Amino acid sequence: QQQVKQSPQSLIVQKGGISIINCAYENTAFDYFPWYQQFPGKGPALLIAIRPDVSEKKEGRFTISFNKSAKQFSLHIMDSQPGDSATYFCAASSPQGGSEKLVFGKGTKLTVNP
Amino acid sequence: DAGVTQSPTHLIKTRGQQVTLRCSPKSGHDTVSWYQQALGQGPQFIFQYYEEEERQRGNFPDRFSGHQFPNYSSELNVNALLLGDSALYLCASSPTLRGGELFFGEGSRLTVL
Repeated sequence: QQQVKQSPQSLIVQKGGISIINCAYENTAFDYFPWYQQFPGKGPALLIAIRPDVSEKKEGRFTISFNKSAKQFSLHIMDSQPGDSATYFCAASSPQGGSEKLVFGKGTKLTVNP
Repeated sequence: DAGVTQSPTHLIKTRGQQVTLRCSPKSGHDTVSWYQQALGQGPQFIFQYYEEEERQRGNFPDRFSGHQFPNYSSELNVNALLLGDSALYLCASSPTLRGGELFFGEGSRLTVL
């Protein structure tokens, strides 16, 4: 049973455009929602994270939007750059598991064309 | 400041063999978690070690076992390897149990033939 569903599987954006990746979750006990960025041959690196007490969090060009009632959250990358080309994973965890026991989505491969 | 280091980076085994993967956590971190990432998939939680004990476990069979040493480093052991065990095995460390950002290593790529 996949607890975090991520879409799209792949995304192609022009330089300067907006990249949007969506995730939906089922477990209402989840209270921590991070996004990870993974380059080929590297491990995932934390990009930005949100907890359900806020509806939006922005860090530079990256924004998480969170909709608790719909059990959905999304990552927006503004002014996308070729260096943003990577695979992005959404994830979630519950208080029982802590921030270390993450349930990941299947990932979105982002390609930003110059 | 060294991050999470894993060894070996790549290895090839045959079905039925056993494998041991090693991990050194980021300096100052005492909690280690292991994840399995199949090709084209997101990482899946295997288990977590803190104070040399397994604290949490995901849906993995007993063929997967681990250990944490007094210096906080950790090992992942997989017995009776199956073809389906072929994956990238990621180690992640965090500064304390159930708190703090996870830092991942670059992984150990296991191929089972």
